[in-house]
Amino acid sequence: NAGVTQTPKFQVLKTGQSMTLQCAQDMNHEYMSWYRQDPGMGLRLIHYSVGAGITDQGEVPNGYNVSRSTTEDFPLRLLSAAPSQTSVYFCASSRPGSKTYEQYFGPGTRLTVT
Amino acid sequence: KQEVTQIPAALSVPEGENLVLNCSFTDSAIYNLQWFRQDPGKGLTSLLLIQSSQREQTSGRLNASLDKSSGRSTLYIAASQPGDSATYLCAASPHNQGGKLIFGQGTELSVKP
Repeated sequence: NAGVTQTPKFQVLKTGQSMTLQCAQDMNHEYMSWYRQDPGMGLRLIHYSVGAGITDQGEVPNGYNVSRSTTEDFPLRLLSAAPSQTSVYFCASSRPGSKTYEQYFGPGTRLTVT
Repeated sequence: KQEVTQIPAALSVPEGENLVLNCSFTDSAIYNLQWFRQDPGKGLTSLLLIQSSQREQTSGRLNASLDKSSGRSTLYIAASQPGDSATYLCAASPHNQGGKLIFGQGTELSVKP
């Protein structure tokens, strides 16, 4: 299994541009989520999904959009990039049926908005 | 609102020392607590997960404990090695939202040869 994969690894955007961060998992996990990691702020939840077709907001959802059309994929869209969205983005997945909800993380996407 | 705190923010120890990393949380109604390791520029690697009904979990030289009544978890690392140098993060899941994680800001550990 590849686990949780994320693309791209690095990205530079200009203010106002849009882009999609890709996340995929091959573990048949129902639960997927996006976090951002900023110095001094730790990791914060952006959006999450409990299954295909179901998404909900986390702690810092503004400026981001998600959809979940398949169990495997959970892309994160930046609608109009702002310098405040410069961060490292992590995707995670877990399986509620396992009872433990152990979370598995991808390698991250480092985004810079100029 | 659940808040997770890790103290100290940084720790430096000589090789071979046993050490304890601390994590505290404000709401005892948690589903589980998970410890992660993060190397510079890398993702998070799960180390140990303690369910709310458990008191501790062990993996090799690592032992994590959970005391919900006091809102504390500790990660014990025995016989530390330079390869243990990394940032250690703890994260709590709310009791009715097991798939969500609320993270502490981490402890940056440096083990000197």
